[in-house]
Amino acid sequence: GEDVEQSLFLSVREGDSSVINCTYTDSSSTYLYWYKQEPGAGLQLLTYIFSNMDMKQDQRLTVLLNKKDKHLSLRIADTQTGDSAIYFCAESMGNRDDKIIFGKGTRLHILP
Amino acid sequence: EAGVAQSPRYKIIEKRQSVAFWCNPISGHATLYWYQQILGQGPKLLIQFQNNGVVDDSQLPKDRFSAERLKGVDSTLKIQPAKLEDSAVYLCASSLSGQGAGGYTFGSGTRLTVV
Repeated sequence: GEDVEQSLFLSVREGDSSVINCTYTDSSSTYLYWYKQEPGAGLQLLTYIFSNMDMKQDQRLTVLLNKKDKHLSLRIADTQTGDSAIYFCAESMGNRDDKIIFGKGTRLHILP
Repeated sequence: EAGVAQSPRYKIIEKRQSVAFWCNPISGHATLYWYQQILGQGPKLLIQFQNNGVVDDSQLPKDRFSAERLKGVDSTLKIQPAKLEDSAVYLCASSLSGQGAGGYTFGSGTRLTVV
């Protein structure tokens, strides 16, 4: 079945790195995503990784994928107050039936 | 490029009343999705349209929820009658011909409170 699990809360000091972890169950997932949701706002796609990759870097963001363990992580370097939000891990098949399955989200809190 | 437009932004109704939400996707996007996001949870797909046809409505509570996309562009989602547990944010998204990754754009959502 399809299921995405992630921890609910993470507190990080400003300037440190944040690492948000996620596990998924569907080994046939083609794409894995990280979305950001700020209070009262819609979902913003941060980054995504294709299942045949094991790492993707985009400025302060690094995504690591361990397909064997079905583990996905998002590292945010030099965490800023503007990074405070809920981060959703998600997966999809990436074909015509490409509904996205979301985790419950990790609330990232930035400590001064 | 204009984003996915949704209205209203907020709606408060009493249980057993009816409510309708509207979504205007990005121009040219053939695929349209309605998601329900209950507080503290991730979004859950309710229904997916490809043009004006339904691709997946397996998670739509059909006894009270209905959705249509008559001309393959705008879509409406209706709840009749509403229950307290329907309180949630209803998100509309669209994508180009089911391209998957990177192709989704979400609207800001309609926050429904049922009292």
